[in-house]
Amino acid sequence: GESVGLHLPTLSVQEGDNSIINCAYSNSASDYFIWYKQESGKGPQFIIDIRSNMDKRQGQRVTVLLNKTVKHLSLQIAATQPGDSAVYFCAENPTAGNKLTFGGGTRVLVKP
Amino acid sequence: DTEVTQTPKHLVMGMTNKKSLKCEQHMGHRAMYWYKQKAKKPPELMFVYSYEKLSINESVPSRFSPECPNSSLLNLHLHALQPEDSALYLCASSQDSAGGNSPLHFGNGTRLTVT
Repeated sequence: GESVGLHLPTLSVQEGDNSIINCAYSNSASDYFIWYKQESGKGPQFIIDIRSNMDKRQGQRVTVLLNKTVKHLSLQIAATQPGDSAVYFCAENPTAGNKLTFGGGTRVLVKP
Repeated sequence: DTEVTQTPKHLVMGMTNKKSLKCEQHMGHRAMYWYKQKAKKPPELMFVYSYEKLSINESVPSRFSPECPNSSLLNLHLHALQPEDSALYLCASSQDSAGGNSPLHFGNGTRLTVT
C-alpha cells in the first residue's frame, strides 16, 4: 500500500490468523522484487524475494505472489505471531541495475 | 544481529559541524549503498558503490560526500547539513552489483539529528 501523509496503512490481524500485505509497483521494467520487514529502531530485514520469471515463491511461513499483468505483489504470512508486528516494505529492482526502490510500507499489528 | 555494522548509532550535529558515518561489512559483497529514511517513509536511495567505484548518485546535495576506502568499508561525510537532513541513514550491501538480482542486507542505521 502507499503511505498517505504521515500515516502508514495499517493491517490489524489476530494472532494465529493469516496476513496478506499488498503492493502495487510502478516500473514495468522491474524484474526482481523483495519484501522487507522493519522493526522499530532497526534496519530493513530481508524476508523473501522473487524474480519476474516466477509468479509464486514460498519460504518459511511466508509466500510471495507476483502478478506482472497488473504489476501487483503480495506477501502472505501464515499463522501470524506477535513477533511479526512491524512495517513491511516491498521493493523493486529494474533489469540490469542496482537501484532498489521501496514502496510506501504497511504496518502490521498483531493482536494477542 | 545484522552483518552490516553502522557507527555511530545516534549522532547529533550542528549545521556548521563536519561528521562522518561509517559502515562495514565482511560478507565479501561488492556493492554498497547509502539510503536515507524519514519517519514513516520508505528508505530512499542516495548512493551506490560497485567494486569500490561510485556508480549511482541520486542527485544528492554535495553536503553529503560518500567514500569507499575498500570493499568492506563505506563512509558518508557530512558537512553544513540542514535540519531537514535529520533522518535515519541506512547502509546496505549486496553480492551482485551488475545483475541487480541479489538482496540488499541492511545495517540498523545511524539516527542523525541536525540542530
